[in-house]
Amino acid sequence: NAGVMQNPRHLVRRRGQEARLRCSPMKGHSHVYWYRQLPEEGLKFMVYLQKENIIDESGMPKERFSAEFPKEGPSILRIQQVVRGDSAAYFCASSPQPLSEQFFGPGTRLTVL
Amino acid sequence: QQQVKQSPQSLIVQKGGISIINCAYENTAFDYFPWYQQFPGKGPALLIAIRPDVSEKKEGRFTISFNKSAKQFSLHIMDSQPGDSATYFCAATTETSGSRLTFGEGTQLTVNP
Repeated sequence: NAGVMQNPRHLVRRRGQEARLRCSPMKGHSHVYWYRQLPEEGLKFMVYLQKENIIDESGMPKERFSAEFPKEGPSILRIQQVVRGDSAAYFCASSPQPLSEQFFGPGTRLTVL
Repeated sequence: QQQVKQSPQSLIVQKGGISIINCAYENTAFDYFPWYQQFPGKGPALLIAIRPDVSEKKEGRFTISFNKSAKQFSLHIMDSQPGDSATYFCAATTETSGSRLTFGEGTQLTVNP
């Protein structure tokens, strides 16, 4: 059973470009969470999704950030018009149901030049 | 009120020693407290977790101690090994938050041979 997969592992974007981060949850997991880790800091919750639904987006910045988890395919975290402050590691986690263990992917390290 | 405070920021112990990392929280609604271990370039991995109905949980060399009245919990690593060198995060969540994890700031542990 493959773990949580994220791609790309590293992403470099120039200011103003768009970043798309993908997350494929573990088989059988329908709950996906996105977290952001700034350098030298802990992980901060961004958004919690189930298939085709955003359950909790209280941690998402109000502008430029969006997330989706379609019926088919991976979950996508999209950052429009990136700025240098978006440079961070973005982690996706999945779980089979709420309140159960979250399994984390290896992360996508975004660098904005 | 949603914060989890973690200390120390960094910790150096000798092989065979005991590593102790502490966390404190304010939200009394938190009802699940996991610890995660993260190696450089990797995603966090669940190490051990506890619920507030018990005061201690032990798994191998890892023990969580929980003090509900003080709103504190700690991780003890007995017989620390160089392979334990990693960053450790405490976290907390509530049933009503839908499993949104609130992380501490992290502790970078170095175990010298």
